[in-house]
Amino acid sequence: GENVEQHPSTLSVQEGDSAVIKCTYSDSASNYFPWYKQELGKGPQLIIDIRSNVGEKKDQRIAVTLNKTAKHFSLHITETQPEDSAVYFCAANLLNRGGTSYGKLTFGQGTILTVHP
Amino acid sequence: GAGVSQTPSNKVTEKGKYVELRCDPISGHTALYWYRQSLGQGPEFLIYFQGTGAADDSGLPNDRFFAVRPEGSVSTLKIQRTERGDSAVYLCASSLTGSGGAHEQYFGPGTRLTVT
Repeated sequence: GENVEQHPSTLSVQEGDSAVIKCTYSDSASNYFPWYKQELGKGPQLIIDIRSNVGEKKDQRIAVTLNKTAKHFSLHITETQPEDSAVYFCAANLLNRGGTSYGKLTFGQGTILTVHP
Repeated sequence: GAGVSQTPSNKVTEKGKYVELRCDPISGHTALYWYRQSLGQGPEFLIYFQGTGAADDSGLPNDRFFAVRPEGSVSTLKIQRTERGDSAVYLCASSLTGSGGAHEQYFGPGTRLTVT
């Protein structure tokens, strides 16, 4: 099955700096890559996603890049703020046994981001 | 609008007992997913419903785990003869549709299950 590796496991930055989190996936057929932010005691919140026919996507201070050949994708947060502190998860879409993609996600292990004021 | 809701938010039970966890998806969402999240880990897939039927239950760890969605909206995850290793946060997610490719999944707050 699909395997998603995420690093670093922890990331500490100063307010205003940029943060980059990287993920690799094993199944070259994966075609959808969302990123989630999870705050303590809450469920994961979708913050941005990218599909395999796109190389980069931006939404204000957040951007995601995808390299299908290398099977890796990254989350970039610019001008970080203390409220960006949370656990971030990448995920990849996994094909079912019939070969149809239907949204079953495989998650990375998470990155604890701390933004110091 | 209202997001995904899950009840209870916390559940403490004794080893060997039976528990039920409930998920109310976003209105109109046909696909519903259950995941389990252990401390310090990412969510792990358990089961996926498209409408009333379980389209994929390959993530259920063993036959003590069962889930239903009888009317295609609310879902209940049932765990029999609970074990201490079942302790985790159980997350529910829903999406507008599950077939044909990538569709955004929206998560509820989770139910924290503790088996003593």
